[in-house]
Amino acid sequence: DTGVSQDPRHKITKRGQNVTFRCDPISEHNRLYWYRQTLGQGPEFLTYFQNEAQLEKSRLLSDRFSAERPKGSFSTLEIQRTEQGDSAMYLCASSLKAGGRGEQFFGPGTRLTVL
Amino acid sequence: AQKVTQAQTEISVVEKEDVTLDCVYETRDTTYYLFWYKQPPSGELVFLIRRNSFDEQNEISGRYSWNFQKSTSSFNFTITASQVVDSAVYFCALSEFLNSGNTPLVFGKGTRLSVIA
Repeated sequence: DTGVSQDPRHKITKRGQNVTFRCDPISEHNRLYWYRQTLGQGPEFLTYFQNEAQLEKSRLLSDRFSAERPKGSFSTLEIQRTEQGDSAMYLCASSLKAGGRGEQFFGPGTRLTVL
Repeated sequence: AQKVTQAQTEISVVEKEDVTLDCVYETRDTTYYLFWYKQPPSGELVFLIRRNSFDEQNEISGRYSWNFQKSTSSFNFTITASQVVDSAVYFCALSEFLNSGNTPLVFGKGTRLSVIA
């Protein structure tokens, strides 16, 4: 399978705990995106990378959210001191920068439940 | 600022009927891309179609077709002869094209399509 993969698929945690999600993009894709999707809404952009450079992070929901892509391959999204409002589906996508085609390919998502 | 509006929250059709999903967008840029994605009950977003702002030619791909009209900022999507497997939430999305590449996607709220056998 050469698609975007995310781990874990589901995470249940208690309020106040830290969680980390991983995303492995399609291997030749140099761009990687994180989105959040709540029930009944479309995905909402959080942050993205080109190779290891984080191009935009102002849309991260608070300073409790951070993301890395240290070697330009996989990425992690961490949420510190989770709150019940963080419960959502966290989606990762990847794309090629070149060519301006722009379509992003999404992983299956990580569903976070904060109790 | 970019915005995508999908006014239809839910649509139900009987199998084999044609169905059109509406999408209206807002952007200040002249160069942009429009997309339709499908999200079946499994949850994974599946890319369906892409159209750039330079090309208003409407196309048909299998049972899918789309109608892009810059004059009305609309990018409607039609499924012909709908099938039960088409039941899903459909999202319209917009991305602007910069020298640094495409901007992240801005999504509408989605339209839930139910195809009844």
